[in-house]
Amino acid sequence: DQQVKQNSPSLSVQEGRISILNCDYTNSMFDYFLWYKKYPAEGPTFLISISSIKDKNEDGRFTVFLNKSAKHLSLHIVPSQPGDSAVYFCAASARGGTSYGKLTFGQGTILTVHP
Amino acid sequence: DTAVSQTPKYLVTQMGNDKSIKCEQNLGHDTMYWYKQDSKKFLKIMFSYNNKELIINETVPNRFSPKSPDKAHLNLHINSLELGDSAVYFCASSLRGEGEKLFFGSGTQLSVL
Repeated sequence: DQQVKQNSPSLSVQEGRISILNCDYTNSMFDYFLWYKKYPAEGPTFLISISSIKDKNEDGRFTVFLNKSAKHLSLHIVPSQPGDSAVYFCAASARGGTSYGKLTFGQGTILTVHP
Repeated sequence: DTAVSQTPKYLVTQMGNDKSIKCEQNLGHDTMYWYKQDSKKFLKIMFSYNNKELIINETVPNRFSPKSPDKAHLNLHINSLELGDSAVYFCASSLRGEGEKLFFGSGTQLSVL
């Protein structure tokens, strides 16, 4: 009963091209979404987030898109760089009620950017 | 000057043993967490503490006992270790008002033989 799913275990992209990472969720109570990046032997680090009142948030080369009706979000990286090679985790939170501060993570997508 | 540090990085032990993992943060955050990354790579919350008070306690066996001596420390003690406890355990911290922006430690890989 995974509520957040990243159906692509891996993605390979050429340097300079766009990377698109996808995430689907099932719990309609989720109203805040985040992407974390993880390098080997390190913990995940926060990358970008989006509230459910928006459908797009941009930070430099990183843009997150949210489609609430489809319960789908995506992370776009343009242009991709070799240093972006990492595992990307999608996460969701239901800010209301008692679950504040609790994140539900997807299983991650390994992004490899080739020079 | 590590923001969230946890020790040890690797822990190999026998079934039935008791072990502890320590976590410290120097970010001035008031909320700390333990997450477990299982074999399928999902990160799942175990516990959350705010100012030394337990606020989230997921369905975790009571062999797992978190302890927060102060808001900069959150330790995890595990009794009677089982094979299924093998996983990577991540400590994290955040400010209460920014609860989703977690700062993670580098993880403790626990292997139970």
